[in-house]
Amino acid sequence: GAGVSQSPSNKVTEKGKDVELRCDPISGHTALYWYRQSLGQGLEFLIYFQGNSAPDKSGLPSDRFSAERTGGSVSTLTIQRTQQEDSAVYLCASNFPGAGNTIYFGEGSWLTVV
Amino acid sequence: GNSVTQMEGPVTLSEEAFLTINCTYTATGYPSLFWYVQYPGEGLQLLLKATKADDKGSNKGFEATYRKETTSFHLEKGSVQVSDSAVYFCALKPGANSKLTFGKGITLSVRP
Repeated sequence: GAGVSQSPSNKVTEKGKDVELRCDPISGHTALYWYRQSLGQGLEFLIYFQGNSAPDKSGLPSDRFSAERTGGSVSTLTIQRTQQEDSAVYLCASNFPGAGNTIYFGEGSWLTVV
Repeated sequence: GNSVTQMEGPVTLSEEAFLTINCTYTATGYPSLFWYVQYPGEGLQLLLKATKADDKGSNKGFEATYRKETTSFHLEKGSVQVSDSAVYFCALKPGANSKLTFGKGITLSVRP
Protein backbone atom coordinates (compact mmCIF):
# COMPACT_ATOMS: atom_id res chain seq x y z
CA GLY A 1 0.00 0.00 0.00
CA ALA A 2 0.97 3.65 -0.32
CA GLY A 3 3.12 5.20 2.34
CA VAL A 4 3.32 8.80 3.51
CA SER A 5 3.78 10.96 0.44
CA GLN A 6 5.51 14.36 0.52
CA SER A 7 6.02 17.00 -2.13
CA PRO A 8 8.11 18.57 -3.39
CA SER A 9 11.02 16.28 -2.66
CA ASN A 10 13.43 19.14 -3.24
CA LYS A 11 12.84 22.88 -3.17
CA VAL A 12 15.31 25.71 -3.64
CA THR A 13 13.93 29.13 -2.81
CA GLU A 14 15.23 32.62 -2.40
CA LYS A 15 15.46 34.20 1.01
CA GLY A 16 12.28 36.09 1.80
CA LYS A 17 9.98 33.97 -0.36
CA ASP A 18 7.14 31.85 1.02
CA VAL A 19 7.11 28.07 0.55
CA GLU A 20 4.46 25.39 0.95
CA LEU A 21 5.26 21.76 1.67
CA ARG A 22 2.60 19.11 1.24
CA CYS A 23 2.02 15.85 3.07
CA ASP A 24 -0.42 13.09 2.12
CA PRO A 25 -0.64 10.63 5.05
CA ILE A 26 -1.41 6.95 4.89
CA SER A 27 -5.11 6.48 4.24
CA GLY A 28 -7.10 6.23 7.47
CA HIS A 29 -4.35 7.55 9.73
CA THR A 30 -5.86 10.19 11.96
CA ALA A 31 -2.62 11.42 13.52
CA LEU A 32 -0.18 13.51 11.47
CA TYR A 33 3.16 14.99 12.51
CA TRP A 34 5.71 17.39 11.05
CA TYR A 35 9.36 17.24 12.04
CA ARG A 36 12.46 19.08 10.83
CA GLN A 37 15.87 17.48 10.38
CA SER A 38 18.82 19.82 10.14
CA LEU A 39 22.49 18.93 9.83
CA GLY A 40 23.79 18.35 13.30
CA GLN A 41 20.44 19.20 14.93
CA GLY A 42 18.71 15.85 14.98
CA LEU A 43 14.94 15.59 14.63
CA GLU A 44 12.98 18.59 15.81
CA PHE A 45 9.23 18.32 16.42
CA LEU A 46 7.15 21.03 14.77
CA ILE A 47 3.43 20.26 14.97
CA TYR A 48 1.01 17.37 15.61
CA PHE A 49 -2.57 16.92 14.40
CA GLN A 50 -4.92 14.34 15.90
CA GLY A 51 -8.38 14.01 14.42
CA ASN A 52 -10.56 17.02 15.15
CA SER A 53 -8.59 18.08 18.24
CA ALA A 54 -6.70 21.35 18.37
CA PRO A 55 -3.20 20.76 16.97
CA ASP A 56 -0.13 20.73 19.20
CA LYS A 57 1.84 23.65 17.76
CA SER A 58 4.39 23.77 20.55
CA GLY A 59 7.32 22.99 18.27
CA LEU A 60 6.83 25.69 15.65
CA PRO A 61 9.99 27.82 15.86
CA SER A 62 8.42 31.18 14.95
CA ASP A 63 5.22 32.76 13.67
CA ARG A 64 6.59 32.45 10.14
CA PHE A 65 5.70 28.75 10.36
CA SER A 66 2.14 27.49 10.12
CA ALA A 67 0.41 24.28 9.16
CA GLU A 68 -3.08 23.16 8.38
CA ARG A 69 -4.77 19.89 7.76
CA THR A 70 -7.80 19.92 5.52
CA GLY A 71 -10.53 17.32 5.84
CA GLY A 72 -8.49 15.32 8.30
CA SER A 73 -6.16 14.13 5.56
CA VAL A 74 -3.68 16.21 3.54
CA SER A 75 -1.54 18.71 5.42
CA THR A 76 0.37 21.75 4.25
CA LEU A 77 3.30 23.30 6.10
CA THR A 78 3.84 26.93 5.15
CA ILE A 79 6.99 28.91 5.84
CA GLN A 80 6.69 32.63 5.22
CA ARG A 81 9.59 34.97 4.48
CA THR A 82 12.07 32.10 4.44
CA GLN A 83 15.48 32.52 6.06
CA GLN A 84 18.68 30.59 5.42
CA GLU A 85 18.36 28.88 8.79
CA ASP A 86 15.11 27.31 7.56
CA SER A 87 17.15 25.09 5.23
CA ALA A 88 16.49 21.52 6.35
CA VAL A 89 14.63 18.34 5.52
CA TYR A 90 11.00 18.59 6.55
CA LEU A 91 9.56 15.21 7.48
CA CYS A 92 5.90 14.28 7.70
CA ALA A 93 4.63 11.22 9.53
CA SER A 94 1.31 9.60 10.32
CA ASN A 95 -0.23 6.78 12.33
CA PHE A 96 -3.34 5.45 14.00
CA PRO A 97 -3.31 6.96 17.50
CA GLY A 98 -2.05 4.68 20.22
CA ALA A 99 0.90 4.75 22.55
CA GLY A 100 2.78 1.93 20.87
CA ASN A 101 1.49 2.28 17.35
CA THR A 102 4.18 2.68 14.74
CA ILE A 103 4.59 6.14 13.27
CA TYR A 104 5.40 6.02 9.54
CA PHE A 105 7.56 8.69 7.98
CA GLY A 106 7.64 10.09 4.48
CA GLU A 107 10.83 10.59 2.47
CA GLY A 108 10.90 14.28 3.38
CA SER A 109 11.04 17.59 1.54
CA TRP A 110 14.56 19.00 1.27
CA LEU A 111 14.36 22.79 1.50
CA THR A 112 17.30 24.99 0.59
CA VAL A 113 17.05 28.75 1.11
CA VAL A 114 19.61 30.73 -0.86
CA GLY B 1 9.57 17.19 30.35
CA ASN B 2 10.28 14.18 28.20
CA SER B 3 13.74 13.67 26.76
CA VAL B 4 15.96 11.04 25.20
CA THR B 5 19.73 10.92 25.56
CA GLN B 6 21.89 8.92 23.18
CA MET B 7 25.58 8.25 23.40
CA GLU B 8 27.85 10.51 21.40
CA GLY B 9 28.92 9.37 17.96
CA PRO B 10 29.97 8.58 15.38
CA VAL B 11 30.70 4.91 15.88
CA THR B 12 32.93 2.95 13.52
CA LEU B 13 33.13 -0.84 13.75
CA SER B 14 34.56 -3.68 11.75
CA GLU B 15 32.20 -6.19 10.19
CA GLU B 16 31.06 -8.92 12.63
CA ALA B 17 31.83 -6.76 15.68
CA PHE B 18 29.38 -6.50 18.59
CA LEU B 19 27.33 -3.32 18.70
CA THR B 20 25.85 -1.45 21.64
CA ILE B 21 24.26 1.97 21.27
CA ASN B 22 23.17 3.46 24.58
CA CYS B 23 19.87 5.24 25.06
CA THR B 24 18.37 6.58 28.27
CA TYR B 25 15.18 8.51 28.72
CA THR B 26 13.31 10.83 31.05
CA ALA B 27 9.54 10.66 31.07
CA THR B 28 6.57 10.61 33.38
CA GLY B 29 4.56 7.43 33.43
CA TYR B 30 5.25 4.55 31.10
CA PRO B 31 6.21 5.66 27.62
CA SER B 32 6.58 3.43 24.58
CA LEU B 33 10.16 3.25 23.31
CA PHE B 34 11.39 3.02 19.74
CA TRP B 35 14.52 2.73 17.64
CA TYR B 36 14.33 4.28 14.19
CA VAL B 37 16.98 3.88 11.48
CA GLN B 38 17.85 6.09 8.53
CA TYR B 39 19.94 4.39 5.83
CA PRO B 40 21.94 6.62 3.47
CA GLY B 41 19.64 8.41 1.06
CA GLU B 42 16.51 6.88 2.55
CA GLY B 43 13.71 7.94 4.85
CA LEU B 44 13.30 7.20 8.52
CA GLN B 45 11.93 3.75 9.30
CA LEU B 46 11.05 1.87 12.44
CA LEU B 47 13.64 -0.69 13.48
CA LEU B 48 12.03 -2.01 16.66
CA LYS B 49 9.88 -0.98 19.61
CA ALA B 50 8.78 -1.93 23.11
CA THR B 51 5.65 -0.74 24.82
CA LYS B 52 6.09 -1.81 28.43
CA ALA B 53 8.77 -2.56 30.99
CA ASP B 54 10.87 -5.69 30.37
CA ASP B 55 9.59 -6.02 26.80
CA LYS B 56 12.27 -6.83 24.25
CA GLY B 57 11.97 -5.47 20.74
CA SER B 58 13.86 -7.23 17.97
CA ASN B 59 14.31 -6.97 14.22
CA LYS B 60 17.07 -7.72 11.66
CA GLY B 61 19.29 -9.14 14.41
CA PHE B 62 18.98 -6.00 16.54
CA GLU B 63 17.52 -6.13 20.05
CA ALA B 64 16.63 -3.65 22.77
CA THR B 65 15.07 -4.27 26.18
CA TYR B 66 12.86 -1.74 27.98
CA ARG B 67 14.51 -1.29 31.38
CA LYS B 68 12.35 0.81 33.66
CA GLU B 69 14.70 0.58 36.62
CA THR B 70 17.53 2.18 34.65
CA THR B 71 15.28 4.14 32.24
CA SER B 72 17.20 2.68 29.34
CA PHE B 73 16.59 1.10 25.94
CA HIS B 74 20.04 0.19 24.66
CA LEU B 75 20.32 -1.18 21.12
CA GLU B 76 22.49 -4.27 20.56
CA LYS B 77 23.51 -6.51 17.70
CA GLY B 78 25.82 -9.47 17.99
CA SER B 79 27.48 -9.19 14.59
CA VAL B 80 27.17 -6.05 12.49
CA GLN B 81 27.30 -5.96 8.71
CA VAL B 82 28.37 -3.25 6.29
CA SER B 83 24.70 -2.87 5.36
CA ASP B 84 23.94 -1.76 8.95
CA SER B 85 25.76 1.52 8.30
CA ALA B 86 23.12 4.17 9.02
CA VAL B 87 21.96 6.77 11.52
CA TYR B 88 20.10 5.34 14.52
CA PHE B 89 17.58 7.32 16.55
CA CYS B 90 16.13 6.38 19.93
CA ALA B 91 12.67 7.82 20.65
CA LEU B 92 9.86 7.77 23.18
CA LYS B 93 6.12 8.33 23.01
CA PRO B 94 4.50 9.08 26.37
CA GLY B 95 0.92 8.17 25.50
CA ALA B 96 -1.68 7.55 22.86
CA ASN B 97 -2.18 11.16 21.78
CA SER B 98 1.35 12.46 21.90
CA LYS B 99 4.33 13.10 19.70
CA LEU B 100 7.56 11.15 19.38
CA THR B 101 10.52 12.70 21.14
CA PHE B 102 13.84 11.74 19.54
CA GLY B 103 17.41 11.55 20.69
CA LYS B 104 20.06 13.30 18.61
CA GLY B 105 20.88 10.19 16.61
CA ILE B 106 24.15 8.39 16.15
CA THR B 107 25.95 7.52 12.94
CA LEU B 108 27.21 3.96 12.65
CA SER B 109 29.78 3.07 10.01
CA VAL B 110 30.72 -0.58 9.52
CA ARG B 111 33.86 -1.29 7.51
CA PRO B 112 34.51 -4.57 5.69
